[in-house]
Amino acid sequence: NAGVTQTPKFQVLKTGQSMTLQCAQDMNHEYMSWYRQDPGMGLRLIHYSVGAGITDQGEVPNGYNVSRSTTEDFPLRLLSAAPSQTSVYFCASSYAAGYEQYFGPGTRLTVT
Amino acid sequence: RKEVEQDPGPFNVPEGATVAFNCTYSNSASQSFFWYRQDCRKEPKLLMSVYSSGNEDGRFTAQLNRASQYISLLIRDSKLSDSATYLCVVNGGSSGDKLTFGTGTRLAVRP
Repeated sequence: NAGVTQTPKFQVLKTGQSMTLQCAQDMNHEYMSWYRQDPGMGLRLIHYSVGAGITDQGEVPNGYNVSRSTTEDFPLRLLSAAPSQTSVYFCASSYAAGYEQYFGPGTRLTVT
Repeated sequence: RKEVEQDPGPFNVPEGATVAFNCTYSNSASQSFFWYRQDCRKEPKLLMSVYSSGNEDGRFTAQLNRASQYISLLIRDSKLSDSATYLCVVNGGSSGDKLTFGTGTRLAVRP
């Protein structure tokens, strides 16, 4: 099993550009989530999904959209990139909310 | 009060030392507790779950104290490879059943 995969590993965007961060898992997990990690702030939840077709906002959802058309995939879209979105983004999955989560390798995003 | 609070460290210890980290949580209704390890520029990885009765995995021991609302991680016989940031993770709080991550405690093991 590949576990949780994320692409790309690195990305540089200009302010105002949009892009999609890809996330996929092969563990048949219902729960998937996106976090951003900034120095000194820990992991903050952006959006999450409890199953295909169901998504909800986390702690810091502004500027991001998600969709969950299949159990396996949970892409994160940046609508109009801003320098404040420079961060490391992690996707994670688990059997259900509250269970141990497994993380992808992360995407390092820089917005100039 | 933060929902999950950890001493950021760093804890600098020699190889072979025993080191302990504590983490406090604010939601008395929390039911799931974990310790994750995160290496520099890598993703967090599950180290161990924390059970009410405490649990041990080799050199690592985790304890839960519900009355005082803290969990602990004890590392015995520290190795250089234990150098990392250790994240305390708890479910519940303002995020509902979702996991809340502490900001981590950094451990540096020196030769």
